Amino acid sequence: DSGVTQTPKHLITATGQRVTLRCSPRSGDLSVYWYQQSLDQGLQFLIQYYNGEERAKGNILERFSAQQFPDLHSELNLSSLELGDSALYFCASSVQGTSGYNEQFFGPGTRLTVL
Amino acid sequence: GEDVEQSLFLSVREGDSSVINCTYTDSSSTYLYWYKQEPGAGLQLLTYIFSNMDMKQDQRLTVLLNKKDKHLSLRIADTQTGDSAIYFCAEMYSGAGSYQLTFGKGTKLSVIP
Repeated sequence: DSGVTQTPKHLITATGQRVTLRCSPRSGDLSVYWYQQSLDQGLQFLIQYYNGEERAKGNILERFSAQQFPDLHSELNLSSLELGDSALYFCASSVQGTSGYNEQFFGPGTRLTVL
Repeated sequence: GEDVEQSLFLSVREGDSSVINCTYTDSSSTYLYWYKQEPGAGLQLLTYIFSNMDMKQDQRLTVLLNKKDKHLSLRIADTQTGDSAIYFCAEMYSGAGSYQLTFGKGTKLSVIP
């Protein structure tokens, strides 16, 4: 158990809908990361938040957005869903080290199926 | 952009050594990582290596880094059936407080009893 929790575990929805995925980081971790794992694209970095502020953006679609709240939990919002958005979405968290080393602890993921 | 390449499959007999190879492109990466993903589970960090190191050993795991060729390998000694999983190589891109992992597609290791 990494200490990172994600809800829900599974989500089935229809095209055109909007969903929200939730992540609670490990206690004390200020950074939260979102990754998408799909069969064709593999594991791709989406976005990073640090203490409520966006720090880095990867291959995140404009239909997707995220935020980190004052209690440090994060939500990933996916809208206008398409079949191709079906994937496993991982959240990870880390503490900001000063040595440059960064260990990201991954949650169990949310499996999104778009029908 | 950054790209990490791995072979997709590896099959070994129980008790043999497994070697999983990876090539990366970003020469500025300071840390390189190996993650393990078991079926239906999240990613578990196995080990990492700092870019100024050539080798790192941690129990049954040995990581070799050839920075000139941008080649990374993970050797698992005395491979067990419990080692069957997908192994991901990843490089870290960092800057201005941002940390972004770029993963390979993963190598599925099958251990034959």
